[in-house]
Amino acid sequence: GNSVTQMEGPVTLSEEAFLTINCTYTATGYPSLFWYVQYPGEGLQLLLKATKADDKGSNKGFEATYRKETTSFHLEKGSVQVSDSAVYFCALSGLTGGGNKLTFGTGTQLKVEL
Amino acid sequence: NAGVMQNPRHLVRRRGQEARLRCSPVKGHSHVYWYRQLPEEGLKFMVYLQKENIIDESGMPKERFSAEFPKEGPSILRIQQVVRGDSAAYFCASSGTPDQPQHFGDGTRLSIL
Repeated sequence: GNSVTQMEGPVTLSEEAFLTINCTYTATGYPSLFWYVQYPGEGLQLLLKATKADDKGSNKGFEATYRKETTSFHLEKGSVQVSDSAVYFCALSGLTGGGNKLTFGTGTQLKVEL
Repeated sequence: NAGVMQNPRHLVRRRGQEARLRCSPVKGHSHVYWYRQLPEEGLKFMVYLQKENIIDESGMPKERFSAEFPKEGPSILRIQQVVRGDSAAYFCASSGTPDQPQHFGDGTRLSIL
């Protein structure tokens, strides 16, 4: 079955530091890959996505590249801000007869300090 | 432009009571998904519905849990005879077509006393 593995948190960084959150996946077929962000007390917001190998998703300074050879989709940002503090979820989906259900990693909490 | 609306935001029930969670999808979206987030864990798929039909309920517990998405009105996730282990955040997501990204609501946080 499908699965997603993320690096464990919390990850604590100083403002303007470089961020990497690792994500690897196991899936049949050719899934789409996503990063979602969850702020305290809120639902998930789509941060970026990639639908095929070598695609790069990017948004708000974050980016991730769909690497089929290493089955990875690592999230990066060159300079984090305090406002980036949140929980980040890597997820995959694959269209099947049962729709497009998402399989999530366990989430990585990011704390950015001044 | 209203997003996915879930209510209530917080729900407290005693063991043995029923819990009803409501989800109004984005206007025009006919695909609804329910996910459960246990403390310190990621979201786990529960059920996928289209209008009036359950398409995939492979993530639903076999007993006490049911879901519906009627022709008119919100989608409902119902938990009968709740137990402490049902305490979690329940999220609803919707999409216009199966291949579009899902939009999530803010969730219902269910606490069982």
